[in-house]
Amino acid sequence: AQRVTQPEKLLSVFKGAPVELKCNYSYSGSPELFWYVQYSRQRLQLLLRHISRESIKGFTADLNKGETSFHLKKPFAQEEDSAMYYCALSPGGSYIPTFGRGTSLIVHP
Amino acid sequence: KAGVTQTPRYLIKTRGQQVTLSCSPISGHRSVSWYQQTPGQGLQFLFEYFSETQRNKGNFPGRFSGRQFSNSRSEMNVSTLELGDSALYLCASSLAGDPKAFNEQFFGPGTRLTVL
Repeated sequence: AQRVTQPEKLLSVFKGAPVELKCNYSYSGSPELFWYVQYSRQRLQLLLRHISRESIKGFTADLNKGETSFHLKKPFAQEEDSAMYYCALSPGGSYIPTFGRGTSLIVHP
Repeated sequence: KAGVTQTPRYLIKTRGQQVTLSCSPISGHRSVSWYQQTPGQGLQFLFEYFSETQRNKGNFPGRFSGRQFSNSRSEMNVSTLELGDSALYLCASSLAGDPKAFNEQFFGPGTRLTVL
């Protein structure tokens, strides 16, 4: 069975500080990994996926198969980054996602 | 383009009743997926419909069912409601022509169901 763990329910940082939201997964095959974000009073939306290897809004995430992790990082947090972040996994070849419980990121001025 | 719309936005039902939720996808999107979000279980995949056929299904009891119409609009039905069915139900649509290829999903605002 596939599982996604986000160990931190809440992450609080100051503006300009580095941010790392942790995501660990359990899956026997080759998964696709995603990060979703939900800003206050907005809809859930895709932030990035590991295959695209893009930097979105300054965020990057690297898939580490050895550690089965897909941590989301940003070198300098901004107040507008405050949101709920969800890590998700989908088996390669189909899109049936399993989501983590989410991490609430608060960036203080 | 208009985004994904869900109706109603809020709903209160009592145990044992049934409920139908509706989702209108983005124009041109042919796949509609449903999710349940609760504080206890988080966000869980219910099922996906494409071209009026259920293409994928999560691990939920048979009381949860859905359908999709020829215009891609989808409905989700929950029969014999239980207290634990209280949740935010999210709908998401995507182009999803190839089920093996990634197609970004666009989420609706959700329907908040409360079961008393």
